[in-house]
Amino acid sequence: EAGVTQSPTHLIKTRGQQATLRCSPISGHTSVYWYQQALGLGLQFLLWYDEGEERNRGNFPPRFSGRQFPNYSSELNVNALELEDSALYLCASSFLRANTGELFFGEGSRLTVL
Amino acid sequence: DAKTTQPNSMESNEEEPVHLPCNHSTISGTDYIHWYRQLPSQGPEYVIHGLTSNVNNRMASLAIAEDRKSSTLILHRATLRDAAVYYCILRSGGSNYKLTFGKGTLLTVNP
Repeated sequence: EAGVTQSPTHLIKTRGQQATLRCSPISGHTSVYWYQQALGLGLQFLLWYDEGEERNRGNFPPRFSGRQFPNYSSELNVNALELEDSALYLCASSFLRANTGELFFGEGSRLTVL
Repeated sequence: DAKTTQPNSMESNEEEPVHLPCNHSTISGTDYIHWYRQLPSQGPEYVIHGLTSNVNNRMASLAIAEDRKSSTLILHRATLRDAAVYYCILRSGGSNYKLTFGKGTLLTVNP
């Protein structure tokens, strides 16, 4: 069974540009979570989608946005990139109705803003 | 979100047991205690979780204090592959399934 897959693995952008990161959850999982991990810091919660709806949002500016598609895959968009947006962006999926609440993480997309 | 407190770092020797502590004095009755670990250059990996009773799985054991204000993740025989950052997280048993990660404990395993 395929795990959570993220693309691209690495992405280099310049300040002011837009970045789009993609995530495919494990088959059967309806929830997708996005986290940001800046160098040396812990994971900061960004967004949570379930059944196509945004369910929760972390303390990030509106230029961080996303969506979940009917096939439960998800996209994270970061507009007007700033240097401090350089980080590893991790996607996780879960089956919301399961009582374990276990999240399965992908390997991440490393975004570098120059 | 209820907070957890973990030591910044711990050190162990290979093939010895490791006890990783976590304090969560503001835990509510419906909060589950989850542990994840993150190996270098990888996404976090689920380790174990529990509510009130101690739990065992193939990776580790979770010992939960009777008052639930603290817990301990036990790795019975540390291997070099267990070197990672270990996160203790509280997850609400309600409709909010978000996990809030702290800074975790960096475990170093010496050969």
